[in-house]
Amino acid sequence: AQTVTQSQPEMSVQEAETVTLSCTYDTSENNYYLFWYKQPPSRQMILVIRQEAYKQQNATENRFSVNFQKAAKSFSLKISDSQLGDTAMYFCAFMNRQTGANNLFFGTGTRLTVIP
Amino acid sequence: DAGVIQSPRHEVTEMGQEVTLRCKPISGHNSLFWYRQTMMRGLELLIYFNNNVPIDDSGMPEDRFSAKMPNASFSTLKIQPSEPRDSAVYFCASSLSRGQETQYFGPGTRLLVL
Repeated sequence: AQTVTQSQPEMSVQEAETVTLSCTYDTSENNYYLFWYKQPPSRQMILVIRQEAYKQQNATENRFSVNFQKAAKSFSLKISDSQLGDTAMYFCAFMNRQTGANNLFFGTGTRLTVIP
Repeated sequence: DAGVIQSPRHEVTEMGQEVTLRCKPISGHNSLFWYRQTMMRGLELLIYFNNNVPIDDSGMPEDRFSAKMPNASFSTLKIQPSEPRDSAVYFCASSLSRGQETQYFGPGTRLLVL
């Protein structure tokens, strides 16, 4: 079974600064996806970024980027120029690409607070 | 383009009552997922469908829970009878099952069973 671990229950960052959220996972599979989802107080689950395991290049989406270390099974999220709207719970998630097994396994989340 | 639609957004009911949650996936998506989020257990998959067929229901807690997908644009999750421990936020998500496996979530249904 796949497990996803987020070891930082809570973090805070000053507005305009950079913050990195950690995620590690355990799998015996070689072909998979990794995701970061954001859940603001509205409770909507919003996709932040996605990484395919076969790609060596780290994914980026505007102020959001990842550091994907496949050998170490690490998948951290970096948020640059933090904004107040980034305040939310952030969930790391794993998906096995094997046919018929495309459900998500989530970590326990990191609550991020951006301080004005 | 409309995202995943869930109804109701909030539901308060009494123990023993039947509860039905509804979901309309994104048009063209052929995989649909039901998740439950609680403080104790976090986000967990209950069941998912591919092309309207249930593929994995191992996450369904017990026989009180049932899910159907009668067509490509509608799914229901039913709890009968409901219990206080079923109180949670229930999310529906949809995706394309080939090549675009990213799941897009609905706004969730917050269920409170008294």
